[in-house]
Amino acid sequence: GAGVSQTPSNKVTEKGKYVELRCDPISGHTALYWYRQSLGQGPEFLIYFQGTGAADDSGLPNDRFFAVRPEGSVSTLKIQRTERGDSAVYLCASSLGGTLTETQYFGPGTRLLVL
Amino acid sequence: GESVGLHLPTLSVQEGDNSIINCAYSNSASDYFIWYKQESGKGPQFIIDIRSNMDKRQGQRVTVLLNKTVKHLSLQIAATQPGDSAVYFCAEKPDSWGKLQFGAGTQVVVTP
Repeated sequence: GAGVSQTPSNKVTEKGKYVELRCDPISGHTALYWYRQSLGQGPEFLIYFQGTGAADDSGLPNDRFFAVRPEGSVSTLKIQRTERGDSAVYLCASSLGGTLTETQYFGPGTRLLVL
Repeated sequence: GESVGLHLPTLSVQEGDNSIINCAYSNSASDYFIWYKQESGKGPQFIIDIRSNMDKRQGQRVTVLLNKTVKHLSLQIAATQPGDSAVYFCAEKPDSWGKLQFGAGTQVVVTP
């Protein structure tokens, strides 16, 4: 059984460039989450999808960050005009339906380095 | 014993001993709490969870304790093994759905 997968595993880009990070959730999971983890810290919530719609995007730091999930499965996190401070590990998680006690299963993350 | 490293508090444990990892959570209204284990280069992995109407829950070699009065969680690992070396995070769910809010994490180092 496949878990959550994320591509690419590593991404190096230059300041000001645009990047897209992809997440493939576990098949059948309707809830999908994006988190960002800086070195030595716990993951910080960015956005939560229930199906195709963003149910909570309160964690997106500014309007340079945007995420989509057009068919309710794969999601893409898009970062415009990247800054050095965007360097972090971007984690994706999915759960069956998003209810209180459902386990969120995490992918391995995409390590983004902005030079 | 515990020490504060550059980024994370570190708990050094001898193989075979029991480990206790502590966590203070922030939201008194949180109803659900989870412990995750994160190995280097990997995403967080679920260990055990507990609802706020419980004060103790046991799994295989792990026990989670919840003290709502002082907003404190602990994770106990029995007979710690080298494979337990990782960073451990507590997380709370401040809403009935959606996001997890993670604590700062504790690095556990198991020595032979």
